Amino acid sequence: DQQVKQNSPSLSVQEGRISILNCDYTNSMFDYFLWYKKYPAEGPTFLISISSIKDKNEDGRFTVFLNKSAKHLSLHIVPSQPGDSAVYFCAGTLSTGKLIFGQGTTLQVKP
Amino acid sequence: EADIYQTPRYLVIGTGKKITLECSQTMGHDKMYWYQQDPGMELHLIHYSYGVNSTEKGDLSSESTVSRIRTEHFPLTLESARPSHTSQYLCASSDSRSPSGELFFGEGSRLTVL
Repeated sequence: DQQVKQNSPSLSVQEGRISILNCDYTNSMFDYFLWYKKYPAEGPTFLISISSIKDKNEDGRFTVFLNKSAKHLSLHIVPSQPGDSAVYFCAGTLSTGKLIFGQGTTLQVKP
Repeated sequence: EADIYQTPRYLVIGTGKKITLECSQTMGHDKMYWYQQDPGMELHLIHYSYGVNSTEKGDLSSESTVSRIRTEHFPLTLESARPSHTSQYLCASSDSRSPSGELFFGEGSRLTVL
């Protein structure tokens, strides 16, 4: 049973445009949601998080939106840059502190 | 800036060899984790520790073992490596006081078993 799902394996956008990465979840017990970025052969790096009691959090070019009724969150990157090309993982945090990760979405930003 | 280090970054070994993947963090985090990740797949938790002398198995069954004798050190050992163990192994740590549970990851150890 996959509690966090990223249904789009890949996404390709033009440099300067908006990238929207989506994530769905089934467990209503997540306290936080986090987004990580991962380059090949490197460990994931933290991007941005959102509390389950919020609906939006913004940090520079990155904004995360949370729709609790739909159990859906999205990461917006504006404007997209070639250096943003990576695999993006969303994760939910349980009250125990355990993180549950999605399968990841590979973003390619074309110059 | 995260300070968590993994060695080796890359390892190619033959079947049946014993290997230890090292992981150290200098942030004083009480929690440490090992994840296994293959391309296109999610990160699978294989071991975690909530403090010294505390280790637990994760969601994905693994033949590896771990130890946590010191807060900063969380090595993973495979007694007899097999080709099915070929994967990327990611070590992470977190502070239990962090409400979001944010994990800080090392750069990973890419293991190839021939």
